Amino acid sequence: GENVEQHPSTLSVQEGDSAVIKCTYSDSASNYFPWYKQELGKRPQLIIDIRSNVGEKKDQRIAVTLNKTAKHFSLHITETQPEDSAVYFCAATPYNFNKFYFGSGTKLNVKP
Amino acid sequence: GAGVSQSPSNKVTEKGKDVELRCDPISGHTALYWYRQSLGQGLEFLIYFQGNSAPDKSGLPSDRFSAERTGGSVSTLTIQRTQQEDSAVYLCASRTGTRASYNEQFFGPGTRLTVL
Repeated sequence: GENVEQHPSTLSVQEGDSAVIKCTYSDSASNYFPWYKQELGKRPQLIIDIRSNVGEKKDQRIAVTLNKTAKHFSLHITETQPEDSAVYFCAATPYNFNKFYFGSGTKLNVKP
Repeated sequence: GAGVSQSPSNKVTEKGKDVELRCDPISGHTALYWYRQSLGQGLEFLIYFQGNSAPDKSGLPSDRFSAERTGGSVSTLTIQRTQQEDSAVYLCASRTGTRASYNEQFFGPGTRLTVL
């Protein structure tokens, strides 16, 4: 089955700096890669996603890049704000969406 | 409209007891997933329902775990003879569309299960 690894497990940045979270996957059949933000005590919420036929996608301060050959994808947050502090999860799923494999999460702390 | 709901929000039980966790997906969503999230960990896939197809049970950790989905809507996750290692937050998610349609998963608030 698929194995998704996520790094780093914790990340502390100063407000205004950029943050990068990286994930690798093992199954070449995976073709959809969502990222979720989970604030303390709340449910995960989708923040951005990317399909395997796209190399990069951007939404305001958030961007995701995908390297299919190397089987890794990354989340980039620019101009970080204190409200970006949360746990971020990457995930991978094959074309039929029968299961989502999640990374272990990155706790991002943005210091004001 | 209403999002995914789960009940109870918290459940404390004694080791060896059975528990039932309920998920009400968003109306019209044909796909439903159960996940387990242990403290400080990622989400572990448990089971997937898609319409009237046979569920994908490949993530269930043992035969003490089972789930059903009645009428293609409400789902119940049952854990028999609970163990302390079953303590976790159990999350349900639903999504619309058929296979291979890139639609978002919406998560419920979760049920926090504590086994004493």
